[in-house]
Amino acid sequence: QLQLQESGPGLVKPSETLSLTCTVSGGSISGSSYYWGWIRQPPGKGLEWIGSIYYSGSTYYNPSLKSRVTISVDTSKNQFSLKLSSVTAADTAVYYCARHVWYGLWYFDPWGRGTLVTVSS
Amino acid sequence: QSALTQPASVSGSPGQSITISCTGTSSDVGSYNLVSWYQQHPGKAPKLMISEVSKRPSGVSNRFSGSKSGNTASLTISGLQAEDEADYYCCSYAGSSTFGVFGTGTKVTVL
Repeated sequence: QLQLQESGPGLVKPSETLSLTCTVSGGSISGSSYYWGWIRQPPGKGLEWIGSIYYSGSTYYNPSLKSRVTISVDTSKNQFSLKLSSVTAADTAVYYCARHVWYGLWYFDPWGRGTLVTVSS
Repeated sequence: QSALTQPASVSGSPGQSITISCTGTSSDVGSYNLVSWYQQHPGKAPKLMISEVSKRPSGVSNRFSGSKSGNTASLTISGLQAEDEADYYCCSYAGSSTFGVFGTGTKVTVL
């Protein structure tokens, strides 16, 4: 069954770039009709879609984060990655990766377990 | 794009039915039958419970059902059980500029 796992530093300094990777197992990230997305959740708060990528490299970003976000894909490693630049304390959150069913639909399933990223000096 | 509006909390006794509302606008919930619902237990990842307003994925109990009227979507949990105590989030497609938006979240308490 498809599984996703986030990895990356748990602590990032203000103004630096947050970098996370999502490794997909149990299925191929390529050649399917799925997008692959990132969603975040600040402590005690709700969910926010960050952006999604197709295996071809086509990306879509949340307009509120677009200027700071880059999502990329490495099909050879069955991974996709998130970079968020110029981070502040407001970017402290649990970051989830998920398979994003798009093309006439819109939902996320399944999700990774999530990884907490704290922005602090 | 503002988050969809959900009640902060809903509670019910075991065996009862509860309904969680998710209110958006004519630009998101009202325009697309692309509302999904997620269940999140403390410290866990969200789990898809409903897609496309009312479709239940394989493995999700038929005690969970979804519907939509105008700009408001709803999730109903019937025969409430202790294991249903969790946070629930709605999500809607919002067009080719905004793409998608989540709800504010609802904490369900089983009394």
